[in-house]
Amino acid sequence: DTEVTQTPKHLVMGMTNKKSLKCEQHMGHRAMYWYKQKAKKPPELMFVYSYEKLSINESVPSRFSPECPNSSLLNLHLHALQPEDSALYLCASSQAASSSYEQYFGPGTRLTVT
Amino acid sequence: GEDVEQSLFLSVREGDSSVINCTYTDSSSTYLYWYKQEPGAGLQLLTYIFSNMDMKQDQRLTVLLNKKDKHLSLRIADTQTGDSAIYFCATSGGYNKLIFGAGTRLAVHP
Repeated sequence: DTEVTQTPKHLVMGMTNKKSLKCEQHMGHRAMYWYKQKAKKPPELMFVYSYEKLSINESVPSRFSPECPNSSLLNLHLHALQPEDSALYLCASSQAASSSYEQYFGPGTRLTVT
Repeated sequence: GEDVEQSLFLSVREGDSSVINCTYTDSSSTYLYWYKQEPGAGLQLLTYIFSNMDMKQDQRLTVLLNKKDKHLSLRIADTQTGDSAIYFCATSGGYNKLIFGAGTRLAVHP
């Protein structure tokens, strides 16, 4: 089983709202990732968690706040977003945060900021 | 920095072979990947090749790697309409950060 699940599938939020995206995997993977994908573009890495600790923050604005409460769960808390933050947010996981391990992606959350 | 380049569009007839090409600059990547993305969906890992291999075959998929020229290709045999999608080539760097190409849109027509 190589399934990564993400909820919600779609999210519409105003610029003053606070919302969270959720990602879950039960493959025993110890690395989890958030990517952002704008329309007609490739995914771009936002954050990497390794063994529940933040390893990489790709200079992401503080209105995006990641959290890894345990090895199976990854959240992305959203606050005071801008319309340009509208995108597909993809979660991925791998056995470890090493280039020797393939990443498996979830279906994504399509976020619209109004 | 690392760079991955792909042609943007490929059109093939159903039943023909498709070849999607990719070039990259970072030669330190242990694995090189091909992902498929259908409209409105996430990324599906199609196949990957270890950097010390020249070729990998997996059913209808054949991956060729030329390390000297930093060129990677994906061949899909007997292309079907269900293969219509965007195909991303990717290398991996520190902390397994994936660097994607722009994606090749494959259109399969009857």
